[in-house]
Amino acid sequence: GAGVSQSPSNKVTEKGKDVELRCDPISGHTALYWYRQSLGQGLEFLIYFQGNSAPDKSGLPSDRFSAERTGGSVSTLTIQRTQQEDSAVYLCASSLGVLSYGYTFGSGTRLTVV
Amino acid sequence: DQQVKQNSPSLSVQEGRISILNCDYTNSMFDYFLWYKKYPAEGPTFLISISSIKDKNEDGRFTVFLNKSAKHLSLHIVPSQPGDSAVYFCAAGDRGGANSKLTFGKGITLSVRP
Repeated sequence: GAGVSQSPSNKVTEKGKDVELRCDPISGHTALYWYRQSLGQGLEFLIYFQGNSAPDKSGLPSDRFSAERTGGSVSTLTIQRTQQEDSAVYLCASSLGVLSYGYTFGSGTRLTVV
Repeated sequence: DQQVKQNSPSLSVQEGRISILNCDYTNSMFDYFLWYKKYPAEGPTFLISISSIKDKNEDGRFTVFLNKSAKHLSLHIVPSQPGDSAVYFCAAGDRGGANSKLTFGKGITLSVRP
């Protein structure tokens, strides 16, 4: 597609349940990022994938968070045993690669944990 | 520790006047700075950037100024238009780093009054 696609756009889940968020980056973009924006906060870096290199997971807030990128394209962010503090907008972005700051963001997934 | 700070959460200006959005950073390794604009329910979109070797970059109605000694940058929009009403994020990166991870501020909500 022409842009970064994220699904679902909205997700309401019960505390303790697992959720999966999906990101389809722009074709040809080798770098993929996950950020989240909690209420009143800036964009918080979560994880970065670049080609076949090991991902930079330094932003993941706990071991309940994990992400994978299959075939260098689609990425899934998984949150296990969700907590209320996980409620946020989760944004995916892609770019042409290392040192390319021309991020293209998706519209995000709004996650609400009740 | 917030490395990119946007201390004013909101700004309201009259249509046709200048909007000045400020941003401060603490990490002296940052050498590339960007502004992103975000409308509700959409992902942020790239607006303008500046490298640390410059102190000014202009693109149409948008100009970004960088003061490295003060670790301060600002975005000027002139003349402001109602369609400029959005959240503006300041972001910074370290091109000498291992990846293209950006650090974002909390954002400033700009309202342009007709």
